[in-house]
Amino acid sequence: NAGVMQNPRHLVRRRGQEARLRCSPMKGHSHVYWYRQLPEEGLKFMVYLQKENIIDESGMPKERFSAEFPKEGPSILRIQQVVRGDSAAYFCASSPSQGNTEAFFGQGTRLTVV
Amino acid sequence: QKEVEQNSGPLSVPEGAIASLNCTYSDRGSQSFFWYRQYSGKSPELIMSIYSNGDKEDGRFTAQLNKASQYVSLLIRDSQPSDSATYLCAVRAYSTLTFGKGTMLLVSP
Repeated sequence: NAGVMQNPRHLVRRRGQEARLRCSPMKGHSHVYWYRQLPEEGLKFMVYLQKENIIDESGMPKERFSAEFPKEGPSILRIQQVVRGDSAAYFCASSPSQGNTEAFFGQGTRLTVV
Repeated sequence: QKEVEQNSGPLSVPEGAIASLNCTYSDRGSQSFFWYRQYSGKSPELIMSIYSNGDKEDGRFTAQLNKASQYVSLLIRDSQPSDSATYLCAVRAYSTLTFGKGTMLLVSP
């Protein structure tokens, strides 16, 4: 009964490189949320996806950030041309559906931009 | 703008006491409410969900919801040092799950 799986757990990128973060939801879950958390701060919503569909991307920066959740495979959060301000913990959570359902978090990816 | 407000704390209680954590939200269309616990350096862990007005109890935890006042609370009875963590209130309105910044709870032995 695997939970939400995120990889890699730690990712180091140089400024200007691309970061690709992966999230495999719990079995039976078809919805994924992505959040960013800076040290000593709260969880900031980024994007909410269903398989092959972006439901809400109101928290995504307009440039350099994109997310997808294909029919097969994990959800991907992609950050192009990373800058030091992108250094943060990125968490994904999955839920079974869009209704009043609980969401469960993965262990997160700690991105460090050097 | 959907907002979820929590007192940042820290809230300090002695071992064995009741800890009371509070949360208010701005969106009257909010439908479901959650409490997560987050230890330092770890991911949030779901501890309670509540969907209708009133109280919901699960072991040492009781969640309380008052939609008219747009207020959610979490009571932790018989607090233990292992309960020391940041407690995040989360509110779902339609598609978005919005979190407060969390209240740090410190339980002293």
